[in-house]
Amino acid sequence: DIQMTQSPSTLPASVGDRVTITCRASQSISNWLAWYQQKPGKAPNLLIYKASNLQSGVPSRFSGSGSGTEFTLTISSLQPDDFASYYCQQYNSYPWTFGQGTKVEIK
Amino acid sequence: QAQLEQSGAEVKKPGASVKISCKASGYTFSIYYIHWVRQAPGQGLEWLGMVDPGGVSTTYAPNFQVRLNMTRDTSLSTVSLEMNSLTFEDTAVYYCARGRTYFPLDPWGQGTLVTVSS
Repeated sequence: DIQMTQSPSTLPASVGDRVTITCRASQSISNWLAWYQQKPGKAPNLLIYKASNLQSGVPSRFSGSGSGTEFTLTISSLQPDDFASYYCQQYNSYPWTFGQGTKVEIK
Repeated sequence: QAQLEQSGAEVKKPGASVKISCKASGYTFSIYYIHWVRQAPGQGLEWLGMVDPGGVSTTYAPNFQVRLNMTRDTSLSTVSLEMNSLTFEDTAVYYCARGRTYFPLDPWGQGTLVTVSS
């Protein structure tokens, strides 16, 4: 199985901050990487697919980059609605696997 | 727009089985995969498996290979997940989600809480 490792696990931040979350794969996954946002009690919501493509309806302050084994999710200017948990997920090969998550919390 | 509606919460005893369903609407059901993902309380996301658009092929995560069965009824636009031999560690919210070739999961169902309790 491909292991996905996210860092940090928790990210204290303030409104307006530039926030970056990192995801590393245990082997190359090309650019078959997705990012999801999840709020408490809700299902995850797709933000980014194929490492850097913004899903329709997702604000442009979200962006993704990387390929191979190293990926990042960046929020250019954190908004109040962005305090949530974020997960990366590889869909290069089965079994699909997720990172352990990053909780962006109020500093 | 595309929506997935899941069945309601379940409470089961250890050793029992549970079957939960996921009904699709707003898109052509027969051309998309359906995946299942679970989330234990306070934990991350765990991919369980998927069933292909025709309902012929399934792929399960190795840890669940022997306990899972995913089926698909195209006439009802519904996919079901059955898990056997439940343990306390299977207590989680179970999500279905739509997938397609070289594309991740979107949208997701609202989740079904399965509680395993004696």
